[in-house]
Amino acid sequence: GAGVSQSPRYKVAKRGQDVALRCDPISGHVSLFWYQQALGQGPEFLTYFQNEAQLDKSGLPSDRFFAERPEGSVSTLKIQRTQQEDSAVYLCASSSPAPPGGAYEQYFGPGTRLTVT
Amino acid sequence: EDKVVQSPLSLVVHEGDTVTLNCSYEVTNFRSLLWYKQEKKAPTFLFMLTSSGIEKKSGRLSSILDKKELFSILNITATQTGDSAIYLCAAQKTSYDKVIFGPGTSLSVIP
Repeated sequence: GAGVSQSPRYKVAKRGQDVALRCDPISGHVSLFWYQQALGQGPEFLTYFQNEAQLDKSGLPSDRFFAERPEGSVSTLKIQRTQQEDSAVYLCASSSPAPPGGAYEQYFGPGTRLTVT
Repeated sequence: EDKVVQSPLSLVVHEGDTVTLNCSYEVTNFRSLLWYKQEKKAPTFLFMLTSSGIEKKSGRLSSILDKKELFSILNITATQTGDSAIYLCAAQKTSYDKVIFGPGTSLSVIP
């Protein structure tokens, strides 16, 4: 497909379980972003990749959160020992890098809704 | 700390009304201001604003940016029930296009 895809679309985990969320960005997009969106809130930045390099992980809420993009395309967000406060929609977005003085739109995937019980 | 604020946080209007959604930002290394519409899925792109005073229009929607006052508005005229959604404002930074989102304005348009 032409857009960003994410899987699974829905995930229910018991507290303490590990989960892995997958993002397939638009082919050729260098930049990849992960966001966490709690109910009634705007998306909060988690981490950013440029190709395979994770250049910013300042938004990851704890060391239980880990993201990778080993070949510069597909990315996985892993949450270890899930807690109830991890329940949210996890959005992935991809974009091309902006030209000097310009800006590029981020294209969002449908998100993964994680519920921790 | 980078911050994007939106008001109102929620709004209920009748079909046919005109609404104005507000967004203010305090962001270092600002590049552009983005508006997204979010229904029960991923945000969909509406506008990107990089210059002050130039109105962007798409059908019944329009938006303008004031880089001096660090402010943007999104106008929707002749609202329809299909306009019901959360409208997200976001500031894009020059550093790798990092985007800071506001909390969103939840708009409900009732018949």
